Amino acid sequence: DSGVTQTPKHLITATGQRVTLRCSPRSGDLSVYWYQQSLDQGLQFLIQYYNGEERAKGNILERFSAQQFPDLHSELNLSSLELGDSALYFCASSRGQAVSYEQYFGPGTRLTVT
Amino acid sequence: EDKVVQSPLSLVVHEGDTVTLNCSYEVTNFRSLLWYKQEKKAPTFLFMLTSSGIEKKSGRLSSILDKKELFSILNITATQTGDSAVYLCAVEAYTGNQFYFGTGTSLTVIP
Repeated sequence: DSGVTQTPKHLITATGQRVTLRCSPRSGDLSVYWYQQSLDQGLQFLIQYYNGEERAKGNILERFSAQQFPDLHSELNLSSLELGDSALYFCASSRGQAVSYEQYFGPGTRLTVT
Repeated sequence: EDKVVQSPLSLVVHEGDTVTLNCSYEVTNFRSLLWYKQEKKAPTFLFMLTSSGIEKKSGRLSSILDKKELFSILNITATQTGDSAVYLCAVEAYTGNQFYFGTGTSLTVIP
């Protein structure tokens, strides 16, 4: 158990809908990262927050947004969902700002868009 | 375009064999290279490499980085069935604090 929690575990929804994925980092970790893992594209970095501020942005679509709250938990919002958004979404956390710090991954949220 | 390429895509070996996994990269403003092991679900961190020629070692696993030739290798000696997993290589860039993953090498260790 990495200490990073993600909810929900599974999510099934229809195209065009909007969902929110939630992540609680390990105690003491200030950075939260979001990743998308699909069968055809592998693991893709989406976005990083550090202590409430956006620090790095990867291949995140405009339909997706994220935020980190004062209690350091983070939410990833996915809107106007398409079939291709079906994937495993991971959250990871680390102590510091730099991505190089050891990241601890949560168990993931599996999103299925039908 | 920045990219990370891993080879082989898949590997099946017998217990006790030694394996070498490769990761080559073309990333502007390289900062670090990281190796992860992904079993059923979430990746777990193995190594972070920033300097050329320095071997990182943890038990039967070791890794080395060649910044001149732009590649890294991950060695696993005396493989065990518990080593079966997908091994992911990722490169971090200073530019935009970006983070690029390879598609992984799937390792299967047969008893």
